[in-house]
Amino acid sequence: SAVISQKPSRDICQRGTSLTIQCQVDSQVTMMFWYRQQPGQSLTLIATANQGSEATYESGFVIDKFPISRPNLTFSTLTVSNMSPEDSSIYLCSVEDGRGTEAFFGQGTRLTVV
Amino acid sequence: GENVEQHPSTLSVQEGDSAVIKCTYSDSASNYFPWYKQELGKGPQLIIDIRSNVGEKKDQRIAVTLNKTAKHFSLHITETQPEDSAVYFCAASRGSTLGRLYFGRGTQLTVWP
Repeated sequence: SAVISQKPSRDICQRGTSLTIQCQVDSQVTMMFWYRQQPGQSLTLIATANQGSEATYESGFVIDKFPISRPNLTFSTLTVSNMSPEDSSIYLCSVEDGRGTEAFFGQGTRLTVV
Repeated sequence: GENVEQHPSTLSVQEGDSAVIKCTYSDSASNYFPWYKQELGKGPQLIIDIRSNVGEKKDQRIAVTLNKTAKHFSLHITETQPEDSAVYFCAASRGSTLGRLYFGRGTQLTVWP
């Protein structure tokens, strides 16, 4: 299994500002994924982040709004830029285990934009 | 892209009864179908999964069935307990990147004692 730590666990931010969310894994993983879960809704994949290459974004998500870094095999960051109240969501980091048999999720970062 | 539909959105059962949640998917190339349980304030936790080369899988009180022809899969929980109360999500992925998941809208399961 993989243990994933996300920071911060929650934050309240002013509109127009940016927030960077950190994701730390206790083992080396190839693939890391970022999801958004809007209030009372399902999880939507934002992007896939591989170490050493640009993140791949899903339809409806762009790098200027959600820049992602993946400096090594245990760490990634997601930035939510120029925030508006519509960005209020839970943001979750996910990884595949080393055998590629299961995907694990962090506890999420609850973001409120006011 | 993949579209996963999940029903019902809410489900209430008496303790000891069975619960069934159903999902359909659109992409015939999808080959991995996990079910996640999410408790309040926590991230989703995998409870069972099934791959496209298998029709059914069981793990104690939990089972998942897959019908590839009809493109639907179901979660069955028997002998439900109050601690089973949570939101359950089905998901699908394709290819070798199983972590690239497309989720259903979730089912809020409530088990009454």
